[in-house]
Amino acid sequence: GAGVSQSPRYKVAKRGQDVALRCDPISGHVSLFWYQQALGQGPEFLTYFQNEAQLDKSGLPSDRFFAERPEGSVSTLKIQRTQQEDSAVYLCASSREILAGNSYEQYFGPGTRLTVT
Amino acid sequence: AQSVSQHNHHVILSEAASLELGCNYSYGGTVNLFWYVQYPGQHLQLLLKYFSGDPLVKGIKGFEAEFIKSKFSFNLRKPSVQWSDTAEYFCAVKAGTALIFGKGTTLSVSS
Repeated sequence: GAGVSQSPRYKVAKRGQDVALRCDPISGHVSLFWYQQALGQGPEFLTYFQNEAQLDKSGLPSDRFFAERPEGSVSTLKIQRTQQEDSAVYLCASSREILAGNSYEQYFGPGTRLTVT
Repeated sequence: AQSVSQHNHHVILSEAASLELGCNYSYGGTVNLFWYVQYPGQHLQLLLKYFSGDPLVKGIKGFEAEFIKSKFSFNLRKPSVQWSDTAEYFCAVKAGTALIFGKGTTLSVSS
């Protein structure tokens, strides 16, 4: 399968620990998005990459959240000093088009469920 | 502020019943609208989308949605649901960079 993959699928962290969540987008997809989905809510936008450039990080909730995509493919979302409110499912999505593309179909990965204890 | 409201949190239907899930949006720019579905244990996948043209859009698995600009609505419909339609359904609007999602509607279909 050539879908979006994410690892780990589940992560339990103690409050104060740092975590790193990985996203492998569909090969050749230019755009990459991270979303946070709290229990009972829809996904909420965190950040957007076009190739290796982080063009929008307006949704990152605090400076403890950091994302990178250094070679324009794999992306990592890092959360420093985790807090209980960070518990959520973190979704990655990729799209073959740039932001203004007419299709703009985002393909989602299975998510990483983060639980902070 | 941009937002999406889904009126029904949980809908329970019997097989062959008709379905309509409500979605209202608040966004001042050019409207691009989506319905995503998440089947149990699976990831989000696109059901259908509206960008322009015919306000009645057809998606996969017999779903359709109608964009009514005057009502700021994009309701999802299916004439006859199946047990396999049991899933969570999310309405979303493209707002700048991001998709803004509603809170989702859980659909349970009994056979």
